[in-house]
Amino acid sequence: AQSVTQPDIHITVSEGASLELRCNYSYGATPYLFWYVQSPGQGLQLLLKYFSGDTLVQGIKGFEAEFKRSQSSFNLRKPSVHWSDAAEYFCAVSAGTYKYIFGTGTRLKVLA
Amino acid sequence: ETGVTQTPRHLVMGMTNKKSLKCEQHLGHNAMYWYKQSAKKPLELMFVYNFKEQTENNSVPSRFSPECPNSSHLFLHLHTLQPEDSALYLCASSQTVRQETQYFGPGTRLLVL
Repeated sequence: AQSVTQPDIHITVSEGASLELRCNYSYGATPYLFWYVQSPGQGLQLLLKYFSGDTLVQGIKGFEAEFKRSQSSFNLRKPSVHWSDAAEYFCAVSAGTYKYIFGTGTRLKVLA
Repeated sequence: ETGVTQTPRHLVMGMTNKKSLKCEQHLGHNAMYWYKQSAKKPLELMFVYNFKEQTENNSVPSRFSPECPNSSHLFLHLHTLQPEDSALYLCASSQTVRQETQYFGPGTRLLVL
């Protein structure tokens, strides 16, 4: 069965520090992978997606993610975090249909 | 308006009330979705519509009744809800139900008393 694990429920970083949010998935073939961000009281905004090709994907707001097949991971990174990045981040995997499997999310807190 | 909009943004209802949630997408998509987001649980897919036809009901209780009059509008009719139905209800759309990126609305925060 497909699954997505975001091992960190909460992460706190200082403004200007680098960030890495972890995402591991379980799926037999190459999945389609997504990162979404949800600000308080808002819906989910797509940050980036991986379908195929270059395993390093650039997204909006300065985020990037790297697909590592050998580790079944799709970690999200940002070199320098801004206070406005405080939000909840969701990793999702799709097995070739509309059926997204979402992780439980990582809540990011940014210290001034 | 652009993207996916949802109204109302907040709703408080009693267990005997009937209310409806509305979703509208301005993206020219043909597939629309209802999700439920509860605290500390992954997003749960509730219903899927493709070209106005329901293609999935993910074992959702009958007190939730979806309606899709056209590809741009999606409703979720609510009646005799339970307190455990309190959650954020998110609408999403995609070009088709095939391997496509889904775009989400801001959600309706529902509280059932």
